[in-house]
Amino acid sequence: DTAVSQTPKYLVTQMGNDKSIKCEQNLGHDTMYWYKQDSKKFLKIMFSYNNKELIINETVPNRFSPKSPDKAHLNLHINSLELGDSAVYFCASSQGDSHNEQFFGPGTRLTVL
Amino acid sequence: AQKITQTQPGMFVQEKEAVTLDCTYDTSDPSYGLFWYKQPSSGEMIFLIYQGSYDQQNATEGRYSLNFQKARKSANLVISASQLGDSAMYFCAMRERNTGNQFYFGTGTSLTVIP
Repeated sequence: DTAVSQTPKYLVTQMGNDKSIKCEQNLGHDTMYWYKQDSKKFLKIMFSYNNKELIINETVPNRFSPKSPDKAHLNLHINSLELGDSAVYFCASSQGDSHNEQFFGPGTRLTVL
Repeated sequence: AQKITQTQPGMFVQEKEAVTLDCTYDTSDPSYGLFWYKQPSSGEMIFLIYQGSYDQQNATEGRYSLNFQKARKSANLVISASQLGDSAMYFCAMRERNTGNQFYFGTGTSLTVIP
């Protein structure tokens, strides 16, 4: 069973389009996250949700909007895609305690042409 | 200030040798966790090892051990008997209670194992 799944794995699209990435976890975790990993492999936190409520919203453009329909899902919608949005996007989940690790999804490689 | 600092962008190690990947952290919270993740070229993030701030002993998981020096705020990863499959990016991370249990990641170290 896949613990944290993301779809799609690859996404190639034109500038200006709107796209969504879906994430689901079957671990019963309270907290879910979205990260962006750039070409230099730097991992940047974008959003964090705890029990469907936004708790971290780093300085990302408001073209990025997370949606959490329930505790097990955290989707990422991106409007008006730009070239600089090309990156790998990781979804992750964890229990809400400083002693619990994060479980990552396989990542979605987004390429904006 | 950076919460997690990894000062080695790239490291090389001979197969079967041990290697230490450095990580220092910055926190005033007495309750925190330290984590190491491996990211091979295939891209997935693999959890390796965890050390709690209150743990008295260094964590070990197979060939991985964490050299935890609390006073120095360092949490170095030691990989013993390196294998070719250990070639990957390695990320150190911290999670502290007083910032809502947010994770902080370092910039990573790229390890290459030489046959």
